[in-house]
Parts: sequence; structure tokens; C-alpha cells
Amino acid sequence: DTAVSQTPKYLVTQMGNDKSIKCEQNLGHDTMYWYKQDSKKFLKIMFSYNNKELIINETVPNRFSPKSPDKAHLNLHINSLELGDSAVYFCASSQGTQFEQYFGPGTRLTVT
Amino acid sequence: KQEVTQIPAALSVPEGENLVLNCSFTDSAIYNLQWFRQDPGKGLTSLLLIQSSQREQTSGRLNASLDKSSGRSTLYIAASQPGDSATYLCAPAGGATNKLIFGTGTLLAVQP
Repeated sequence: DTAVSQTPKYLVTQMGNDKSIKCEQNLGHDTMYWYKQDSKKFLKIMFSYNNKELIINETVPNRFSPKSPDKAHLNLHINSLELGDSAVYFCASSQGTQFEQYFGPGTRLTVT
Repeated sequence: KQEVTQIPAALSVPEGENLVLNCSFTDSAIYNLQWFRQDPGKGLTSLLLIQSSQREQTSGRLNASLDKSSGRSTLYIAASQPGDSATYLCAPAGGATNKLIFGTGTLLAVQP
């Protein structure tokens, strides 16, 4: 019974490629998030959707584009991948913006 | 801009000890604060959520306190066990979108 799941778990790709990471939650939550954890293990929010509406859009290159087809899914598409995009990307969800966030297992992206 | 500091950065204790992890934040206008643990190569597991109106929250051997006015939270772990070994992260949430701002974490090692 996975609450927040992400695919793929690992992603190795070359510079310049375009890739997507998918996230699904079965908790019935209405808010979903993307976080990036860099090589120094620092976690920072990238985007958040509430009821399919973008509510947080941090200073992220416009090569990153989130998409929320419905409340249970939030995907992250990255164009023209760069070496600096290598990181672990975490998806999370919560009920509203005021309550506990639950995290997925992460997707380790390596750009070569 | 919210900045979150966690002290100590690393801690190694023998099994059975009681220990305290500290978190300080610069902007006291928070809505809540969440404590997480992260095991190596894994996602984040939510431990406790304290609302800004609460002073403390308990779950099993864990107790978290919050002093919003002074910008501090502590996580108390009683009778530590080797299975408690992980990185502990604190994340206050604030602003209209209630986004989490993460600290740098405390790496805990409990020796058997």
C-alpha cells in the first residue's frame, strides 16, 4: 500500500536529453509538491499544486515544467538536461497546505 | 527569508541514551513545524507535526517542542536504539502557501 510513489526510481541520461518523472499518491490529498535534494543533501521546494492549480513556483529554470493531470498525480518534465540537474527529486503530498506532508521514495537523476 | 539551522550536525551516542536535537529558525511567523527522518538512500518519513499554537507533540519515544517566539524547536529521543540511526530534518512552514523550509539536518548514529 504505497502512499506516495514515484517512477522511475533511478534515471541515468545524457546532457541535452528530455526526461519525465511521475508521481502518484493514493492518500486522497489535494496538494502535491516537488522537492530537489542536491549532492550536499540540502532539500528545497521547487513546485506545489493545490487542486491542480500551481501555488508554489520557486526560482527554477524554465526547463523544468510540472504538470498535474488530476489531484492524485504530479509529473515533472525536464528539458535539455544539464549536469547540474543531477540530484534526488522527491514528490510529496498533503491535505491542504496546512497539514503534514508525506514524501515519496525519491528519483535519483544522474546526468552524464 | 527563512533560514533553518540544526545543531549538532552529527551525533554519535551509545544505545540507551536520551538525546536532544536542536532546530532554530529566523522567521517566527510559521504555521507549523515538521520533523522528519531520512534513512540513507530513502525518502523522508514524517515523525511529528507541531502546529504553531502547540508547545509540544509526542509520539512514542519522541517528543518535539516548539517555542515560536524564540525561533526554536527541539526533538527529544528517549532510550535511543540503533534503529534510530538516520538523518533528522526539521522544517518550519510559513507564508501564504505554507511551504516547508528544511534545515541541514542532524546525522545521528546510535552505537549498539
